Amino acid sequence: EAGVAQSPRYKIIEKRQSVAFWCNPISGHATLYWYQQILGQGPKLLIQFQNNGVVDDSQLPKDRFSAERLKGVDSTLKIQPAKLEDSAVYLCASSLGLSGQGETQYFGPGTRLLVL
Amino acid sequence: RKEVEQDPGPFNVPEGATVAFNCTYSNSASQSFFWYRQDCRKEPKLLMSVYSSGNEDGRFTAQLNRASQYISLLIRDSKLSDSATYLCVVMDSSYKLIFGSGTRLLVRP
Repeated sequence: EAGVAQSPRYKIIEKRQSVAFWCNPISGHATLYWYQQILGQGPKLLIQFQNNGVVDDSQLPKDRFSAERLKGVDSTLKIQPAKLEDSAVYLCASSLGLSGQGETQYFGPGTRLLVL
Repeated sequence: RKEVEQDPGPFNVPEGATVAFNCTYSNSASQSFFWYRQDCRKEPKLLMSVYSSGNEDGRFTAQLNRASQYISLLIRDSKLSDSATYLCVVMDSSYKLIFGSGTRLLVRP
């Protein structure tokens, strides 16, 4: 079974530029998550989707970050404009989402972003 | 205070050693507990869930003490392949995963 796919794997941009990341969850998984993992820290949830609806975006910096999952399958996360402190690995994860409660999350390989 | 706290390590141990990691969490309403493993430049992967009664999976044993809000992971007979960062993870009352910063383990020949 194919895992969570993410692209690009690496991205280098200058501050104030825009960047977008793409995620395709495991087939049939209704719940999709975006995490930010800064070097030396654990992943931090940015946004959670159940199908195409947002469940939790309380930790998403909405002045510069946006995410969508229009058809309830793949998702994009955008940063506009980027800041130096956005340098991190952006991890996408998915779960079956049958109950939205405590199911195992499967992570993609992540996109490593460096903002110069 | 961080919601989930771990000793960052690194723990540097010889092959065959027994090593234990500890983790504390601040929210007494936390529902579920896990250990994830993250290899260098890779994604986190679920190692095991942690139950109040304690649970074992081969060389790995996890324990939960709800009264002390404390979670542990014991690795027996360490292998070179156990070298990784071990993330303590707590699920809060809204089913959100809260990750610790991880404990780095280095197993040397």
